[in-house]
Amino acid sequence: DTGVSQDPRHKITKRGQNVTFRCDPISEHNRLYWYRQTLGQGPEFLTYFQNEAQLEKSRLLSDRFSAERPKGSFSTLEIQRTEQGDSAMYLCASSGRDNEKLFFGSGTQLSVL
Amino acid sequence: GEDVEQSLFLSVREGDSSVINCTYTDSSSTYLYWYKQEPGAGLQLLTYIFSNMDMKQDQRLTVLLNKKDKHLSLRIADTQTGDSAIYFCAESSGSARQLTFGSGTQLTVLP
Repeated sequence: DTGVSQDPRHKITKRGQNVTFRCDPISEHNRLYWYRQTLGQGPEFLTYFQNEAQLEKSRLLSDRFSAERPKGSFSTLEIQRTEQGDSAMYLCASSGRDNEKLFFGSGTQLSVL
Repeated sequence: GEDVEQSLFLSVREGDSSVINCTYTDSSSTYLYWYKQEPGAGLQLLTYIFSNMDMKQDQRLTVLLNKKDKHLSLRIADTQTGDSAIYFCAESSGSARQLTFGSGTQLTVLP
């Protein structure tokens, strides 16, 4: 059990650029979640996959955001035309048979200049 | 919508007990959680409790749940300097089990 892995740890980009983050969940975990955390706040839910199906999306997920989990294993979160307000920590979590336990990765810290 | 509230700061002396409190509004919450976050790191699951329980103990951690008042607390016995971190309360509901988090309580342990 290697834990939830996220890449990159940090990303600095200029406003208007596209960025993509990757999440590798714990092996055999069928549920995968993306959260966003801004400074001084708790994480906020963005979206959720069960296997390869994206089953729920928050209203926070604007049309510039897209998430995929093509083979039901790793997931990517892409932000197009980044804005300064997108600066945040993007956290991935996964859960398996014990659906009540969500395990989080270390996050990707995005800074939009 | 759902709301989870916590006090922002708590300071205790090393060796004392810490009690971190949380209130939530969603009466359909199924599980309630405590996560720990150290600077620059992700969230570490400390413990969780099913909504039909009123207490859970796990080594130095004790969780108390008052479902009637929608109040959750985390007691850390014999608090150590390594316990200094931000502690998040969260509740889950719905089929997706997505979590709603509070804003976190910064625990500072003084020597």
